Amino acid sequence: EDQVTQSPEALRLQEGESSSLNCSYTVSGLRGLFWYRQDPGKGPEFLFTLYSAGEEKEKERLKATLTKKESFLHITAPKPEDSATYLCAVQRGGSEKLVFGKGTKLTVNP
Amino acid sequence: GAVVSQHPSRVICKSGTSVKIECRSLDFQATTMFWYRQFPKQSLMLMATSNEGSKATYEQGVEKDKFLINHASLTLSTLTVTSAHPEDSSFYICSALGGGAMDEQYFGPGTRLTVT
Repeated sequence: EDQVTQSPEALRLQEGESSSLNCSYTVSGLRGLFWYRQDPGKGPEFLFTLYSAGEEKEKERLKATLTKKESFLHITAPKPEDSATYLCAVQRGGSEKLVFGKGTKLTVNP
Repeated sequence: GAVVSQHPSRVICKSGTSVKIECRSLDFQATTMFWYRQFPKQSLMLMATSNEGSKATYEQGVEKDKFLINHASLTLSTLTVTSAHPEDSSFYICSALGGGAMDEQYFGPGTRLTVT
């Protein structure tokens, strides 16, 4: 069974304090690993898709990396508007379904 | 681009009644749509996958007679919660494929259902 574990569950940072969120996964034949941002009471917003180990993608203050067992979402010099829950999901080969982790709730204090 | 809408955003209904939630892809044709349910502080749980013109595929443990899905066109899918009970209260979110790269699902804003 495909599993996704995100850590930590919650993270508080000061504005400008860089950190990383972790997503560990087990899946038979990874097709893609996805990162989403979710604000309270809203649907997830797509951030990145990573397909193979060693791949990296960047968007503003966010950088996602992928290994064979885990993915990291690095947040550089975060701002209060980066506060949200960050979700990781995996998709196995031959399937369109996504299996989500429980997310990391990030709070960035000014 | 790749905008998905849901209606209504919030609904309160009485136990025993049925509620319909609409999911629309506004600027693209969605080959496949998905319905998820999310409980507080929990991850998104896939309920079913729907393709235009065919029957939805439900995940294990999801009652197909209770959660009716109709994918009437390439831009519209509906979820009807029949004979709703308080335990059906949740945040229901749809997503759609087809608005970007092959594997990217774009999500709607969600519908908060409260059954009293």
